[in-house]
Amino acid sequence: QVQLVESGGGVVQPGRSLRLSCAASGFIFSTYAMHWVRQAPGKGLEWVALISYDGDNKYYADSVKGRFTISRDNSKNTLYLQLNSLKTEDTAVYYCATSGGSYYSAFDIWGQGTMVTVSS
Amino acid sequence: DIVMTQSPDSLAVSLGERATINCKSSQSVLYSSNNKNYLAWFQQKPGQPPKLLIYWASTRESGVPDRFSGSGSGTDFTLTISSLQAEDVAVYYCQQYYSTSYTFGQGTKLEIK
Repeated sequence: QVQLVESGGGVVQPGRSLRLSCAASGFIFSTYAMHWVRQAPGKGLEWVALISYDGDNKYYADSVKGRFTISRDNSKNTLYLQLNSLKTEDTAVYYCATSGGSYYSAFDIWGQGTMVTVSS
Repeated sequence: DIVMTQSPDSLAVSLGERATINCKSSQSVLYSSNNKNYLAWFQQKPGQPPKLLIYWASTRESGVPDRFSGSGSGTDFTLTISSLQAEDVAVYYCQQYYSTSYTFGQGTKLEIK
């Protein structure tokens, strides 16, 4: 079945780095645009980053631009998010999601999320 | 960025009654060339990821009960649950995908009265 499974979350000190992964199955990953969306504890949803189906185009929220990098390996059906220079306000559940073959479609498939806690 | 504002922030409705949640965007999310509103509604229950309910402002996702409906155009949108069921207790979010600076509303918490 169609599935997205995130991993890589954990507790990290401010200023350190972390890499999240999202393993996709059940659909043709290499044809889908992919996103990361985060949710701070008790708060709403915040879109973080988008990558095109081929990895050539990337977009970021202003809050993470220059610190986070989205990437993908279509041979491994896996999406990544490199989180650098982490701040306490980056503490959140990070979800991967897809909007199908277009940037301009609804996010119809979501993973269960992975928790990132930034704390000294 | 397009700002999405939902109202109310929380809502308590009796079982079997109608629930209405509003969403207003700071600019139109209607794309004139195809007459589509780039607006989605999600349901999120505690400890779960968001679930897509409605896209293109009024198209129900496969498997979503028909008591859920979306309406509106341009900058003003509504999610309606025609007859509230216990399993509908959740937080509901609207989202625009008109711009690649995707934005969500702040959420509306729906409870049973």
